Amino acid sequence: KQEVTQIPAALSVPEGENLVLNCSFTDSAIYNLQWFRQDPGKGLTSLLLIQSSQREQTSGRLNASLDKSSGRSTLYIAASQPGDSATYLCAVKSQGGKLIFGQGTELSVKP
Amino acid sequence: SAVISQKPSRDICQRGTSLTIQCQVDSQVTMMFWYRQQPGQSLTLIATANQGSEATYESGFVIDKFPISRPNLTFSTLTVSNMSPEDSSIYLCSVATDLGYEQYFGPGTRLTVT
Repeated sequence: KQEVTQIPAALSVPEGENLVLNCSFTDSAIYNLQWFRQDPGKGLTSLLLIQSSQREQTSGRLNASLDKSSGRSTLYIAASQPGDSATYLCAVKSQGGKLIFGQGTELSVKP
Repeated sequence: SAVISQKPSRDICQRGTSLTIQCQVDSQVTMMFWYRQQPGQSLTLIATANQGSEATYESGFVIDKFPISRPNLTFSTLTVSNMSPEDSSIYLCSVATDLGYEQYFGPGTRLTVT
């Protein structure tokens, strides 16, 4: 059974800092991995999608990497801003087509 | 990308009643899913909505409690039946064009059961 773990559960950083969020999964047989952002009381916004054959994807200040063999992904956020404050969720799509979520990392960027 | 709308956006319901949540997508999609997010928790998959056939439920979720319909490739409903306070959650509809494609989420329905 696929399990997804995110570390840390919460993170508070000063504005301008570069930061890394970690995601690990137990079964390397995945289709892809997605990073989402969720603002309080809101739905999910897709940030980056990495296919199982890819090693990384970039969008603006965000860079996500995938090491399928070790079951790890990282989300790198450069030059963090207060507007980046949100919960970041990692999710892996298993061979059965189900998207399995981690518990999330709650990020707070202080001005 | 797909634009997903859900109705209602929120509701407060009495114990023992049922609520039907609608999910509408602006384009045809192969895959539709329903998720639950309990307070302070991550998302849990309830079921995969299959067009023209019975939904595929995850462990811990049953059709009598969460009946799902999917009459076509752009619309699905989830009913939360015989509600109890433990059903208070955000319910989210999610879609993907196909198996390996990006998955998108609706804005969610915030349900409170009193």
